[in-house]
Amino acid sequence: NAGVTQTPKFQVLKTGQSMTLQCAQDMNHNSMYWYRQDPGMGLRLIYYSASEGTTDKGEVPNGYNVSRLNKREFSLRLESAAPSQTSVYFCASSEASGGGNQPQHFGDGTRLSIL
Amino acid sequence: AQSVAQPEDQVNVAEGNPLTVKCTYSVSGNPYLFWYVQYPNRGLQFLLKYITGDNLVKGSYGFEAEFNKSQTSFHLKKPSALVSDSALYFCAVRRTGGFKTIFGAGTRLFVKA
Repeated sequence: NAGVTQTPKFQVLKTGQSMTLQCAQDMNHNSMYWYRQDPGMGLRLIYYSASEGTTDKGEVPNGYNVSRLNKREFSLRLESAAPSQTSVYFCASSEASGGGNQPQHFGDGTRLSIL
Repeated sequence: AQSVAQPEDQVNVAEGNPLTVKCTYSVSGNPYLFWYVQYPNRGLQFLLKYITGDNLVKGSYGFEAEFNKSQTSFHLKKPSALVSDSALYFCAVRRTGGFKTIFGAGTRLFVKA
């Protein structure tokens, strides 16, 4: 049981380039999330998808777009990468679609550097 | 608005001693509270969560957390620390019925042999 799988694990981009971070979960979870982790700032929510077919903005959505492709997959796209988007990106999923008290399950992250 | 504070950037303890990692929160209504642990180059792993009515919550790897409503705190504890407990610990809060989970900045625990 793989849980939450993120690809790629590492990526270096030049300013202005675009890329898509992939995330898939095999736990049949309804909700999926994208976070970024920066030193001393904890995790900040970029976008989330409460259920298949819906997406909503989190705390820091500017510069990003998302697609909930199906129940398993939730991708994050950087259309024009900027150095401020250098970070570690985590995808997570949880069982609830109604904001319950179930914990989130995290992938191992994508380490993204923008030069 | 929801917020979580972890007042200590780092906690140092000797192996075998008790440990406490502090967390205070602010949320409207009843909160869902969580602790997660992160090891190097890995994602966050769930440790435990607050369930209404249980002021002392037991979780994985011998950890427990004490909920105090009047102080709006949810401190993580362990009676006897292990070197392998050294990691980054995050407290998180979600408003009942909400989708967004707010994470604290994290506390690095260092357990010395």
